[in-house]
Amino acid sequence: ETGVTQSPTHLIKTRGQQVTLRCSSQSGHNTVSWYQQALGQGPQFIFQYYREEENGRGNFPPRFSGLQFPNYSSELNVNALELDDSALYLCASSSDRGGLSNEKLFFGSGTQLSVL
Amino acid sequence: GDSVTQMEGPVTLSEEAFLTINCTYTATGYPSLFWYVQYPGEGLQLLLKATKADDKGSNKGFEATYRKETTSFHLEKGSVQVSDSAVYFCASKGRNTDKLIFGTGTRLQVFP
Repeated sequence: ETGVTQSPTHLIKTRGQQVTLRCSSQSGHNTVSWYQQALGQGPQFIFQYYREEENGRGNFPPRFSGLQFPNYSSELNVNALELDDSALYLCASSSDRGGLSNEKLFFGSGTQLSVL
Repeated sequence: GDSVTQMEGPVTLSEEAFLTINCTYTATGYPSLFWYVQYPGEGLQLLLKATKADDKGSNKGFEATYRKETTSFHLEKGSVQVSDSAVYFCASKGRNTDKLIFGTGTRLQVFP
């Protein structure tokens, strides 16, 4: 149990729709990262939020966007869904951006998104 | 760019067998290296890490040594258990970035 919770656990959408995924960070963590894990692949970094601001982004188009709230919970929004967006979406929380102190990430169990 | 390559699975072993899962990396500079484990229906859990050359990470009987000369971080365990069945991911993180770069994962299946 990592203390990071994601909702919903499963979601089915159709192409062109929009989706919002949610993540509640572990208590005391001010940094959240989102990853996309396609079937049979390793997770790919989407972006990171630190104290409500985007703090790094991977190779994902602008239709992938996020928010972090004052309580450090987070949302991932994807517009104009495409079939290739079908994947497991993982969020991970850490303290003080994780990277600079090599603090380990705490991952949630993910949201499985299917785009039909 | 930076990348991580790990052996394809599945790796199928009998209980108490010796395990090796190979992992190599390419990176500019000296990244930190990690092994994560994903049990069915769960998120990723950090198994072990090493932050500089010749460091050995270890946890729950698993270990891996950061080898700069071969750019490798192979995962080993002397005697696997059925409960070790999971998908194992090797990952790297550069000094000046917060993102992890993952390999494609290796599924381990251990039979009694």
